[in-house]
Amino acid sequence: EADIYQTPRYLVIGTGKKITLECSQTMGHDKMYWYQQDPGMELHLIHYSYGVNSTEKGDLSSESTVSRIRTEHFPLTLESARPSHTSQYLCASSPLGATNEKLFFGSGTQLSVL
Amino acid sequence: AQTVTQSQPEMSVQEAETVTLSCTYDTSESDYYLFWYKQPPSRQMILVIRQEAYKQQNATENRFSVNFQKAAKSFSLKISDSQLGDAAMYFCAYSMNRDDKIIFGKGTRLHILP
Repeated sequence: EADIYQTPRYLVIGTGKKITLECSQTMGHDKMYWYQQDPGMELHLIHYSYGVNSTEKGDLSSESTVSRIRTEHFPLTLESARPSHTSQYLCASSPLGATNEKLFFGSGTQLSVL
Repeated sequence: AQTVTQSQPEMSVQEAETVTLSCTYDTSESDYYLFWYKQPPSRQMILVIRQEAYKQQNATENRFSVNFQKAAKSFSLKISDSQLGDAAMYFCAYSMNRDDKIIFGKGTRLHILP
């Protein structure tokens, strides 16, 4: 099992609330990613980081923001949740150095905004 | 832009039989990586197999093997002796050699019939 953890596993909130999805890994990986996945659809990269204080936007535009203050922690924040944000959010990590190393995924957070 | 296409949204196979999942991709690059990831129900996504485009030999991992046809831009996954634990969503993915971002297909849901 990969040592990458996401909390909460499920979250149901009302519109307008601020939320933070947590992602932590204990493998010392420099590279971390956030993917958004709708049911039966592909994963879309929304944010990634190559190390502390490094954050980049992915291919899919997202109103969320991320931070990388510590190597092991890569939280994702939505300042004001909307029903259109309802989706599954997957966090992943991989080591820096060799390119195209496999991704280690967390179990995901299923977000429902009412 | 690179794309990954999985034309089979769902497939079923009898336990102990062999099944092949299809994947095609579009790229103008000559050097890249291809992956098959498995996402079991309510469990973490894990890497099944990886293929480097510059290698002509098809990758194999136990019961899992690929048929990599570079000219045709095809990358199918063959699962031999299917087991109940193989039931999952399978995602084909692509990554350019110089870019760590991984692009995923829409997935194929595989059912194993006892």
